[in-house]
Amino acid sequence: KQEVTQIPAALSVPEGENLVLNCSFTDSAIYNLQWFRQDPGKGLTSLLLIQSSQREQTSGRLNASLDKSSGRSTLYIAASQPGDSATYLCAVIGWNYGQNFVFGPGTRLSVLP
Amino acid sequence: DTAVSQTPKYLVTQMGNDKSIKCEQNLGHDTMYWYKQDSKKFLKIMFSYNNKELIINETVPNRFSPKSPDKAHLNLHINSLELGDSAVYFCASSQPSGLSYEQYFGPGTRLTVT
Repeated sequence: KQEVTQIPAALSVPEGENLVLNCSFTDSAIYNLQWFRQDPGKGLTSLLLIQSSQREQTSGRLNASLDKSSGRSTLYIAASQPGDSATYLCAVIGWNYGQNFVFGPGTRLSVLP
Repeated sequence: DTAVSQTPKYLVTQMGNDKSIKCEQNLGHDTMYWYKQDSKKFLKIMFSYNNKELIINETVPNRFSPKSPDKAHLNLHINSLELGDSAVYFCASSQPSGLSYEQYFGPGTRLTVT
């Protein structure tokens, strides 16, 4: 059974800092990993998708890496801004558990002005 | 154009009632999902449908019944609502692209059972 964990559960940083969010998964037989952002009271917005054959993906100030063999992914946020405050979730999908995504519990990020 | 839409956005009802939540996607995806996000914000899959056929039914009470009239719609009907059903329900869809699956979410329906 796939299990996904995220560390830390919550993070508070001053504006301008670079930060790293961590995601770990137990079954490395994945098609891809997807990072989402969820603002309070809102739905999930897709940030980055990394295919199993890829090592990293970049979008603006966001960079996500994937080490499939060790079951880890990181989301790097450069020069954080108060607008980055949200909950960040990672999800994996693989062939050992159907076409279903398994989500981590999320990291709640607060960027202080 | 909204990719995945849900109605209603908010639903307040009393225990014992029956209610439905509707979901539509205009992405042409074959697979649709229902998730429940509880008060601790943990997102858990409830159902997965592929081309109108149920492929996953996690440990969900049979008071919950998904219905897919066509590939673009997946509705969730809940009978005999209980206090513990209060949560945010998300619909999502995905489509394989090669060996890659990207998931798109609706805005959620906040259900409050009183």
